[in-house]
Amino acid sequence: AQTVTQSQPEMSVQEAETVTLSCTYDTSESDYYLFWYKQPPSRQMILVIRQEAYKQQNATENRFSVNFQKAAKSFSLKISDSQLGDAAMYFCAYRSAYGGSNYKLTFGKGTLLTVNP
Amino acid sequence: DGGITQSPKYLFRKEGQNVTLSCEQNLNHDAMYWYRQDPGQGLRLIYYSQIVNDFQKGDIAEGYSVSREKKESFPLTVTSAQKNPTAFYLCASSIVPNTEAFFGQGTRLTVV
Repeated sequence: AQTVTQSQPEMSVQEAETVTLSCTYDTSESDYYLFWYKQPPSRQMILVIRQEAYKQQNATENRFSVNFQKAAKSFSLKISDSQLGDAAMYFCAYRSAYGGSNYKLTFGKGTLLTVNP
Repeated sequence: DGGITQSPKYLFRKEGQNVTLSCEQNLNHDAMYWYRQDPGQGLRLIYYSQIVNDFQKGDIAEGYSVSREKKESFPLTVTSAQKNPTAFYLCASSIVPNTEAFFGQGTRLTVV
């Protein structure tokens, strides 16, 4: 079974600075998807960014980018120019690209990000 | 607007009573999921369904039941057999075999 590990329960960053959240995963599969979700105090889960394992290029979405290291099974999220609205719980998630029961999302335990003004 | 609607947002029940959480989506997604969120535990999968009239147990299905009679609806029943039902419950849906899941706003269940 796949597992996702987020080793940083809490992180903090100064407004306008850059922060990197870590995520590692364990899988024997070669094709899969990785995601970062954000959960603000409203508790609505919002997709931040996704990465397909077969793509070598790291995904970017505005101020959010990932560092995907397939061999190391690492998937970190970098937030540039941090804003107060970025304060939230961030979850890393894995999803198999194969069918059947593997379509479920497996989540890490989350990293709580605080942004200081 | 397309989306996933969970109701109610807050739910209180007495111990020993069954309770049903509603989840409706108008995104025309085939797959639907129920997750439970506890502090420090992340999200854990309770049940999922990839097609109408079919569903599978997730990692923590004991004490829960679901049905999928319509594509749009995937209600979750928390039974009296669930030892610690107080939690935040999230419903999600996705296009199978597409990738990302979209979430509802959640239901906070408190059992007293």
